[in-house]
Amino acid sequence: EVVMTQSPATLSVSPGESATLSCRASQSVSSNLAWYQQKPGQAPRLLIYGASIRATGIPIRFSGSGSGTEFTLTISSLQSEDFAVYYCQQYNHWLRTFGPGTKVDIK
Amino acid sequence: EVQLVESGGGLVQPGGSQRLSCAASGFPFSSYALSWVRQAPGKGLEWVSGISGSGDITYYADSVKGRFNISRDNSKNTLYLQMNSLRAEDTAVYYCGDYYYMDVWGKGTTVSVSS
Repeated sequence: EVVMTQSPATLSVSPGESATLSCRASQSVSSNLAWYQQKPGQAPRLLIYGASIRATGIPIRFSGSGSGTEFTLTISSLQSEDFAVYYCQQYNHWLRTFGPGTKVDIK
Repeated sequence: EVQLVESGGGLVQPGGSQRLSCAASGFPFSSYALSWVRQAPGKGLEWVSGISGSGDITYYADSVKGRFNISRDNSKNTLYLQMNSLRAEDTAVYYCGDYYYMDVWGKGTTVSVSS
């Protein structure tokens, strides 16, 4: 099983600032990495797939990078609607796995 | 428009069984491998199981292997999850979606395992 870790667990950011979230895989997942956003009481929403490809309708302030075992989600100029929990997920290995999540809250 | 509608959740006693369904529409169902993902209350997302488009290849997380069975009926565009020997830790909202990355999410169906 590929173990996904995310850091930090919580990130406190002021509106308008940028946020950098990290995701690490225990073995290479190539670029088969997705990022999701989840707000309280809602289903997750796909933000990024293929490590860096924005999903349909996702604002350009969301960007993903990385390959292999190290990945980053950057949110530039955070808006009020961006405060949420973010998960990474690998889909390179047969058994898919999610990271534990990073909560982005208001500073 | 792609739609996924999960159903079949409810309250079940420990050791009991439940079958979840996921009705799909808006895409060529049999061409897509699918997954079940769950989220326990206040916890993160956990991938549970996956199945190939034809239904002949299945995968399970260690936490459910031997207790859960994923299947599909391509004539009905429906995905299933048969859950047996349920435990309290199986309590969660269950979602179905693509086996690769989940670009479409339903509302999920809630399974509560409690006496």
